[in-house]
Amino acid sequence: DGGITQSPKYLFRKEGQNVTLSCEQNLNHDAMYWYRQDPGQGLRLIYYSQIVNDFQKGDIAEGYSVSREKKESFPLTVTSAQKNPTAFYLCASSNLDYYNEQFFGPGTRLTVL
Amino acid sequence: AQSVTQLGSHVSVSEGALVLLRCNYSSSVPPYLFWYVQYPNQGLQLLLKYTTGATLVKGINGFEAEFKKSETSFHLTKPSAHMSDAAEYFCAVSDRGYTGTASKLTFGTGTRLQVTL
Repeated sequence: DGGITQSPKYLFRKEGQNVTLSCEQNLNHDAMYWYRQDPGQGLRLIYYSQIVNDFQKGDIAEGYSVSREKKESFPLTVTSAQKNPTAFYLCASSNLDYYNEQFFGPGTRLTVL
Repeated sequence: AQSVTQLGSHVSVSEGALVLLRCNYSSSVPPYLFWYVQYPNQGLQLLLKYTTGATLVKGINGFEAEFKKSETSFHLTKPSAHMSDAAEYFCAVSDRGYTGTASKLTFGTGTRLQVTL
């Protein structure tokens, strides 16, 4: 079954610690995305990548970092510089055809204590 | 710059009643428009999309939406609500990337649909 997996589903960390969220896809999609979701604010784009070893900042990249060493994987690191990291994080992927329909993973809920 | 406005953060309907969730967009280019549904603590699932062609778009689970360019709207409807429709719904507009480039989605703030007996 093709799809997107995110792990872990729930993550707890102490303030000041970096934490890495995993995102893997087996849809053979070229593009991958990371979004942050907060109550009442919809989804906001953090980073996206069109190709291996290349990525671009989205609207709220400060305090986050990503890598794209493999087509299938796009991990997100939430650094200690992120002022308010507690949120629901969603990974998505898409082809690079004209419509770029995005498919979403199940999400990771990060709570910083 | 693109934007999406969803009127009503919470909508409550009775089971069997019409569902109407409103979405207005702003885009400098002809838009691609999407409706996604999210169940608690889950990812987003595509309900339907408008790209080009027919302005009335049918999606999964009996939902449909009509693209009205003159009103810059893309409202989501379902003739008869079911308890299983209770979820959060997001409208999104794409910046219409060209083939070979990623396009970015701009989301509305979401509408939580409650279905009562």
